[in-house]
Amino acid sequence: EGQLVESGGGLVQPGGSLRLSCAASGFSFNDDWMSWIRQAPGKGLEWVANIKPDGSQRYYVDSVKGRFTISRDNARNSLYLQMNSLRAEDTAVYYCGRYGRSWILWGQGTLVTVSS
Amino acid sequence: EIVMTQSPATLSVSPGERATLSCRASQSVSTNLAWYQQRPGQSPRLLISDASNRATGIPARFSGSGSGTEFTLTISSLQSEDFAVYYCQQYENWPPLTFGGGTKVEIK
Repeated sequence: EGQLVESGGGLVQPGGSLRLSCAASGFSFNDDWMSWIRQAPGKGLEWVANIKPDGSQRYYVDSVKGRFTISRDNARNSLYLQMNSLRAEDTAVYYCGRYGRSWILWGQGTLVTVSS
Repeated sequence: EIVMTQSPATLSVSPGERATLSCRASQSVSTNLAWYQQRPGQSPRLLISDASNRATGIPARFSGSGSGTEFTLTISSLQSEDFAVYYCQQYENWPPLTFGGGTKVEIK
């Protein structure tokens, strides 16, 4: 099934930016849709964004549209999430996921904290 | 947006007993439903897809059923490692992909 490893989380002030990365291995990355899913502290799971294998289609939850951008580099087997205009409510563990109608593989997550 | 509702929020079960978790969709999702398990401090893992198909490596004590708007995850005989939070998720109609709020299975 492979492995996914996220990085790039940390503490950022409201209004700031952060870029998350996800390194994929052990599967054909360029054949699969990929996702970002988040989980606020003590809360449930929330889908954030999906990207098609060739990067030609991207979809977002309404709450991040216009602020977050999902992208991928198939040559580097990497997925990214550029997060701008961050808000306190974006505080969460962010997981990358290998999407095949359901998420068959998850990373360990990276924590993003938005606070002054 | 399809809203997923799970019940109960918390289920107290003794080891070896059967657990039955429910998930309801606000409109039909056919069998386009998955179940995930999340143990404390861990990432979620896929248990069931297409409402009733166990994922690779998932023990047979986990079973899923249902179609349309009503779904059930059954754990036939709870083991210690099964005490966790369980989420359902629909992929019939997206965006957005949506999860239920989760059911926590705790030791009675």
